Amino acid sequence: DTAVSQTPKYLVTQMGNDKSIKCEQNLGHDTMYWYKQDSKKFLKIMFSYNNKELIINETVPNRFSPKSPDKAHLNLHINSLELGDSAVYFCASRQEVLGKGTGELFFGEGSRLTVL
Amino acid sequence: SQQGEEDPQALSIQEGENATMNCSYKTSINNLQWYRQNSGRGLVHLILIRSNEREKHSGRLRVTLDTSKKSSSLLITASRAADTASYFCATGGVAAGNKLTFGGGTRVLVKP
Repeated sequence: DTAVSQTPKYLVTQMGNDKSIKCEQNLGHDTMYWYKQDSKKFLKIMFSYNNKELIINETVPNRFSPKSPDKAHLNLHINSLELGDSAVYFCASRQEVLGKGTGELFFGEGSRLTVL
Repeated sequence: SQQGEEDPQALSIQEGENATMNCSYKTSINNLQWYRQNSGRGLVHLILIRSNEREKHSGRLRVTLDTSKKSSSLLITASRAADTASYFCATGGVAAGNKLTFGGGTRVLVKP
């Protein structure tokens, strides 16, 4: 009964390949996020969806494309992978409170992507 | 640059001692949150303090917020080896919509 689950946990691939990471939450939250954590542990927001609508799109290359088929799922597809894409990608969700950005985030366990 | 920046970057203490870490931020916020990350795991929410609050407690955790200095501190009292983790502050801004911005974290090592 994991709250936020993402797959795969580990992903090793060659440069130039295309890969996807899937995320599902069973908390009934209306907002989901993708964060990227680099080797120095800095955590940067990439995307946010609210009820399947994209509401945050940070300066992320076009090779990254999120997709939210429903409010419980947010997938991340990455085209033409580059060495610099190696990182841990975290999915998170929360229930927005009055649209003011309050409420705690619930994180998945992360997907470690290694590009060779 | 990060909205929230933690200080120190790393902290090593003996079990039983207190651990204090600080977070500074740049823009107005409506709340500040602290998270914990064990090695190889996802982040777990610890505590949220709103901009109109100055101090909050949860078990062995004590968080303060000084909006005039744009800073917060997290105190872990009577630390245990199991407290070894990275601790992150995250800020939610008034104009940030629903975005939480994280700092780089403080790595805490509690030696038994």
